[in-house]
Amino acid sequence: GDSVTQMEGPVTLSEEAFLTINCTYTATGYPSLFWYVQYPGEGLQLLLKATKADDKGSNKGFEATYRKETTSFHLEKGSVQVSDSAVYFCALSDFGGYQKVTFGIGTKLQVIP
Amino acid sequence: NAGVTQTPKFQVLKTGQSMTLQCAQDMNHEYMSWYRQDPGMGLRLIHYSVGAGITDQGEVPNGYNVSRSTTEDFPLRLLSAAPSQTSVYFCATGNQPQHFGDGTRLSIL
Repeated sequence: GDSVTQMEGPVTLSEEAFLTINCTYTATGYPSLFWYVQYPGEGLQLLLKATKADDKGSNKGFEATYRKETTSFHLEKGSVQVSDSAVYFCALSDFGGYQKVTFGIGTKLQVIP
Repeated sequence: NAGVTQTPKFQVLKTGQSMTLQCAQDMNHEYMSWYRQDPGMGLRLIHYSVGAGITDQGEVPNGYNVSRSTTEDFPLRLLSAAPSQTSVYFCATGNQPQHFGDGTRLSIL
């Protein structure tokens, strides 16, 4: 079945540092890939997405590129801020049946001033 | 502009009690789902629905029931609460992407 692998963290960075959160996936078809962000006390919200190989999703300075050859969708940001502290979830949605969404376990990011 | 509304936000139950977690959406999405979020486990799918009158089991359905009588509402019922059901529960609508409510934090004593 489908699966998403990401480190749990926590990842602690100083403000303005470069961020990479790795995400790799296993899927039988050609899934769409997503990054969601969860701020404390809130639900998940979509950060960015990519629907086919070599697509780059971007939003709020975050980027991720759909790499079919390495089955990866790593999240990057050039300069993190304290306000980026949150939990980040990688997810995929396959086109089989009801388009079930599979989530990774989430990576907690803490940015310190 | 409510989106997905979950009630209650917090609840404490005793073992063996039953309760219903409410989820309402105004986005006219056919697909709705319930997840539980536990430390180190990520999000696990409990039940989902692809439209009014249609529900199916997800990854961890035991101890939970759902129904979908309208497009807008998708309640989750705990039949006889157990401490293992202590968790944060999220309702979501749509699937590419999903839209989440703010969650219900449930403690079973």
